[in-house]
Amino acid sequence: KNEVEQSPQNLTAQEGEFITINCSYSVGISALHWLQQHPGGGIVSLFMLSSGKKKHGRLIATINIQEKHSSLHITASHPRDSAVYICAVGGSQGNLIFGKGTKLSVKP
Amino acid sequence: EAQVTQNPRYLITVTGKKLTVTCSQNMNHEYMSWYRQDPGLGLRQIYYSMNVEVTDKGDVPEGYKVSRKEKRNFPLILESPSPNQTSLYFCASSLRRPQFWGPQETQYFGPGTRLLVL
Repeated sequence: KNEVEQSPQNLTAQEGEFITINCSYSVGISALHWLQQHPGGGIVSLFMLSSGKKKHGRLIATINIQEKHSSLHITASHPRDSAVYICAVGGSQGNLIFGKGTKLSVKP
Repeated sequence: EAQVTQNPRYLITVTGKKLTVTCSQNMNHEYMSWYRQDPGLGLRQIYYSMNVEVTDKGDVPEGYKVSRKEKRNFPLILESPSPNQTSLYFCASSLRRPQFWGPQETQYFGPGTRLLVL
């Protein structure tokens, strides 16, 4: 059983649509990390969440610690949002556990 | 500029020829880590280090070695590479280890190293 599950695996949307990507985890965490991987391969940090909600531009991330669930929302999606979105949580030993990622494609 | 650098960016080698991928960060971060990324498997942790001279195995450490002699550098060593180590490798760093991450924390990733072992 994977300790971090993401859904959906693949997502195709039309420009302008509201997008939601989900991440569920089974381990206790101090914070959850959302990452974006561009088609060229580079990885950037989007959000680090330990409670509540964070917003940056058109991206919103929420976390529910009791339910062990986080969501990443993109409002008014744009083709430049096309990327792989990855969530990660820290294990109790100092290790890091990743979801398998959600590949998002936004069509014009 | 805060950054994590990796070298080389691309490498083609042959089975059994020892190689080292360097990783360096300029942010005085305590935590450094190596990951590999494979299609269908996502990112998996190879080794991590919580400070100088402290290293621990991640999920897939077999066939790899690391060292942390200085805070800024965390090289990944493949003593005898095999074709199943063909992958995309990332080094990353953060100020603190994941158990102590807070909402202001950030993990910085290097640009990646594409390795092909023939």
